[in-house]
Amino acid sequence: AQSVTQLGSHVSVSEGALVLLRCNYSSSVPPYLFWYVQYPNQGLQLLLKYTTGATLVKGINGFEAEFKKSETSFHLTKPSAHMSDAAEYFCAVSERETSGSRLTFGEGTQLTVNP
Amino acid sequence: SAVISQKPSRDICQRGTSLTIQCQVDSQVTMMFWYRQQPGQSLTLIATANQGSEATYESGFVIDKFPISRPNLTFSTLTVSNMSPEDSSIYLCSADRANTGELFFGEGSRLTVL
Repeated sequence: AQSVTQLGSHVSVSEGALVLLRCNYSSSVPPYLFWYVQYPNQGLQLLLKYTTGATLVKGINGFEAEFKKSETSFHLTKPSAHMSDAAEYFCAVSERETSGSRLTFGEGTQLTVNP
Repeated sequence: SAVISQKPSRDICQRGTSLTIQCQVDSQVTMMFWYRQQPGQSLTLIATANQGSEATYESGFVIDKFPISRPNLTFSTLTVSNMSPEDSSIYLCSADRANTGELFFGEGSRLTVL
């Protein structure tokens, strides 16, 4: 069975500072990993995904994440936070070989960016 | 990417009534899913909407409470039956176009049950 743990339900950073949102997963088969962002009163938008190949993946809005199998982690980073990055971020995992596109989501991390 | 439209976008409903949410995708998709997002919480998968057959429900969700239809490759409905205040949530439709494993989401339908 697949599961996701996001460390820190709330993260606060200053504008221009590094953003680091932590995600650890559990999966019985090679996972597909995703980060989604949800702005207030909106649906989810895909930031980036890891399926196979290069473990460092780049997404939209300057975000990137690195798949570390040994640490079962897929942390999301951005070198310099912008006010517009304030949103809820969800890490998700799918076990494509066994359960197709069914995603299991983490609890989410609310990112606040202070001026 | 696929564009997914949901309606209604929000509604306020009375206890004991039922509401049907519609989900329309702008292109044919292989997989469609319905998720629930309760206030301040993450997303929980309700069911996989199967084209031409009964939906596949996750543990804790049953067809009598959440009947789902998927008559073709671009459309699905979710009904929330006999609603109670505990059903107040955002319900999101998602789709996996071309079986890529990447889900696209609608804007969600925000239900408030009084």
